Amino acid sequence: GQNIDQPTEMTATEGAIVQINCTYQTSGFNGLFWYQQHAGEAPTFLSYNVLDGLEEKGRFSSFLSRSKGYSYLLLKELQMKDSASYLCAVRVFYNTDKLIFGTGTRLQVFP
Amino acid sequence: DVKVTQSSRYLVKRTGEKVFLECVQDMDHENMFWYRQDPGLGLRLIYFSYDVKMKEKGDIPEGYSVSREKKERFSLILESASTNQTSMYLCASITSRGQGAPDEQYFGPGTRLTVT
Repeated sequence: GQNIDQPTEMTATEGAIVQINCTYQTSGFNGLFWYQQHAGEAPTFLSYNVLDGLEEKGRFSSFLSRSKGYSYLLLKELQMKDSASYLCAVRVFYNTDKLIFGTGTRLQVFP
Repeated sequence: DVKVTQSSRYLVKRTGEKVFLECVQDMDHENMFWYRQDPGLGLRLIYFSYDVKMKEKGDIPEGYSVSREKKERFSLILESASTNQTSMYLCASITSRGQGAPDEQYFGPGTRLTVT
């Protein structure tokens, strides 16, 4: 079966660093996406990892370990506007592409 | 800079009505998807299509059908709407460049459907 786990909720303080973990058990792994979703809006793309290691994009970084079925999203210098849900999604590829999503982690940033 | 559009942001329908949700992408993507998103359940795949006139069932296809007559357009159909289909519906598209490609999946803005 396909399974993706991430924490349901997290809280952090403005200016701090937070790490959101994602573990997965899937077949045909072909990459892992992270999305940000503000309430009432569509998800927006943050990062895509297909090889092991760390990808850095400004305040956001994403890490992947394929052997461990593990990824994390690291948010630095947190801002109030980072309060959102963060979705981990695994890309699987058989005859075609599809993404399997975790249930998302709701992050609340406090002043 | 619009990439994926959906026909309506908000829709209210009555039980038993036939409902059409339209999605159009302008990126020449092969693969298109319909998800629904519900609190506590995350994004669940209803149907997807990897080519014109091709369709595959996702995880929760019951009560839905789809149509892909043109590459840029993917329609979700609720043959007879029921209250348990009240949800946020999200359309998305992605290229199929294969392994290793740094792609991203683009989402439309979503349609919040209420069935009364």
